[in-house]
Amino acid sequence: GENVEQHPSTLSVQEGDSAVIKCTYSDSASNYFPWYKQELGKRPQLIIDIRSNVGEKKDQRIAVTLNKTAKHFSLHITETQPEDSAVYFCAATPGAGGFKTIFGAGTRLFVKA
Amino acid sequence: DGGITQSPKYLFRKEGQNVTLSCEQNLNHDAMYWYRQDPGQGLRLIYYSQIVNDFQKGDIAEGYSVSREKKESFPLTVTSAQKNPTAFYLCASSIQANSPLHFGNGTRLTVT
Repeated sequence: GENVEQHPSTLSVQEGDSAVIKCTYSDSASNYFPWYKQELGKRPQLIIDIRSNVGEKKDQRIAVTLNKTAKHFSLHITETQPEDSAVYFCAATPGAGGFKTIFGAGTRLFVKA
Repeated sequence: DGGITQSPKYLFRKEGQNVTLSCEQNLNHDAMYWYRQDPGQGLRLIYYSQIVNDFQKGDIAEGYSVSREKKESFPLTVTSAQKNPTAFYLCASSIQANSPLHFGNGTRLTVT
């Protein structure tokens, strides 16, 4: 089945710097790759997603890139702010059926003011 | 206000007892899911349901059971067979395959 690995597990940056989180997946048939942000004590919420027919997607300070050949995708946050501090999860949905979303272990991002 | 409601927020049980976690959605989504979240391990899929009266096992289904008798409801029963049931449980729904998950606020279950 699908396996998603996420790195790093913890990331600390200065306010205003960029943050990059990387994920790899194992199932070449996976075709949907969402990213979720979970603030302390709250539910995970979608922040951006990308489909396999697209190489890059951007939404204000957040961007996601996908390399299907290498089976990896990355989240880029520019001009980080203290409110970006949270746990970020990448996920992949295998092509067959498309309901079984598998998550990475998460990255805890600290943005220091 | 559309969303997913999980209840209760905190649940305490004695070892050996079955316990049922509630999940209700009014988003009119066909698919519903149960995930377990443990520190440092991300979210692991327990069960999912694509439509009413149908559900499939996820990666860690042992010791759990579900039902999907109504589109709006997807309760999860943690049975006494689950060896390490203390965890944070998240219910989610999606409108279709390969689409964003909408999560509830979760239920924190403690079994002693």
